[in-house]
Amino acid sequence: SQQGEEDPQALSIQEGENATMNCSYKTSINNLQWYRQNSGRGLVHLILIRSNEREKHSGRLRVTLDTSKKSSSLLITASRAADTASYFCATDASTAGGYQKVTFGTGTKLQVIP
Amino acid sequence: EAGVAQSPRYKIIEKRQSVAFWCNPISGHATLYWYQQILGQGPKLLIQFQNNGVVDDSQLPKDRFSAERLKGVDSTLKIQPAKLEDSAVYLCASSSIGQGHEAFFGQGTRLTVV
Repeated sequence: SQQGEEDPQALSIQEGENATMNCSYKTSINNLQWYRQNSGRGLVHLILIRSNEREKHSGRLRVTLDTSKKSSSLLITASRAADTASYFCATDASTAGGYQKVTFGTGTKLQVIP
Repeated sequence: EAGVAQSPRYKIIEKRQSVAFWCNPISGHATLYWYQQILGQGPKLLIQFQNNGVVDDSQLPKDRFSAERLKGVDSTLKIQPAKLEDSAVYLCASSSIGQGHEAFFGQGTRLTVV
């Protein structure tokens, strides 16, 4: 089952603009991660934000987390054509069995037009 | 640090045939995951190992799918017999145990069942 729902499903912007993707989830989490996937490739880890953090930056990436609303957003500033990819949020949650389970959302397909 | 290795990269089989995928995780990573990613969707967890024990296989179609992790290192995922709906990319990932550890993904195996 998918823990995270992302919106929009697809986003098309001009190079230089900012791109914002949102992720909503259902259960309590330990942390939330964002991944990028280029067509036909594996997933690349972008950034991890812990449940006690509200905002995190990495280069042109800014991630926010609102645990009261069970939602997160990923902002890519000054987008480039090379940012064209699918972006997934993944929640890390503890289970009754005592292990951490990572569950992926449905993804946002970003196209950056040169 | 070497990444997660998967083979083969591509496989085409006829329905009702069997197929096996291999994964070599990052050295020292106790947790190993197999995900199934159908085109246009997010990765779905099939099975999760911690060392050589299974901690989650709730979404593994056990009538046709099986997986093992030998000596807590390499893993194989097998499908027998394959169905058309098994066409997908099969992703292997590994991580350290505990909260706040990112999962590292292999390039995946693209399976086409005809």
